[in-house]
Amino acid sequence: QKEVEQNSGPLSVPEGAIASLNCTYSDRGSQSFFWYRQYSGKSPELIMSIYSNGDKEDGRFTAQLNKASQYVSLLIRDSQPSDSATYLCAVSLGGGGADGLTFGKGTHLIIQP
Amino acid sequence: SAVISQKPSRDICQRGTSLTIQCQVDSQVTMMFWYRQQPGQSLTLIATANQGSEATYESGFVIDKFPISRPNLTFSTLTVSNMSPEDSSIYLCSVEALRTEAFFGQGTRLTVV
Repeated sequence: QKEVEQNSGPLSVPEGAIASLNCTYSDRGSQSFFWYRQYSGKSPELIMSIYSNGDKEDGRFTAQLNKASQYVSLLIRDSQPSDSATYLCAVSLGGGGADGLTFGKGTHLIIQP
Repeated sequence: SAVISQKPSRDICQRGTSLTIQCQVDSQVTMMFWYRQQPGQSLTLIATANQGSEATYESGFVIDKFPISRPNLTFSTLTVSNMSPEDSSIYLCSVEALRTEAFFGQGTRLTVV
């Protein structure tokens, strides 16, 4: 049974601070890891993808992967009120979206102005 | 990224009836996926739809309840059959891009009364 665990929150962060979101996964064979942002009533939007151990940076976002610990995280620097959303961690056994994704329940992030 | 259009965007249906959801992509893709997001929950993969073959269903989902068509490389349909209030969810179509990342349509919000 593939499982992806996230703290549901809400996680409250002051504007301008760093938001840290965490995710663990159960299937050690997982190869591809994704963070999606979902605003209420909207479909998920891809934020970051990461496939190898270490950090990957894209603008204000940094994804971190540690396969030995089966742990994925997302850091959001200089948090803005528009970052307030639910962040979904998703994992795939193979080539990312080509094999279907297993999602965590999501972390509700609130950026306080 | 691919542009994905889903129809209808929302619908209210009577129990016992069926609804067919359409997913159109602006480019040819090998893999298309259907997900369900129940109220307050994360996304669950229903099935994978490949062109020219039967859809592959995840545990807990069956073809009689969720028949899927994939007539070509840009189009798929998901039918929710013999609906009950428990089928009230958001249904999302997604496609893979370059075998690495999954992008979602805007979703179909279904309410069964």
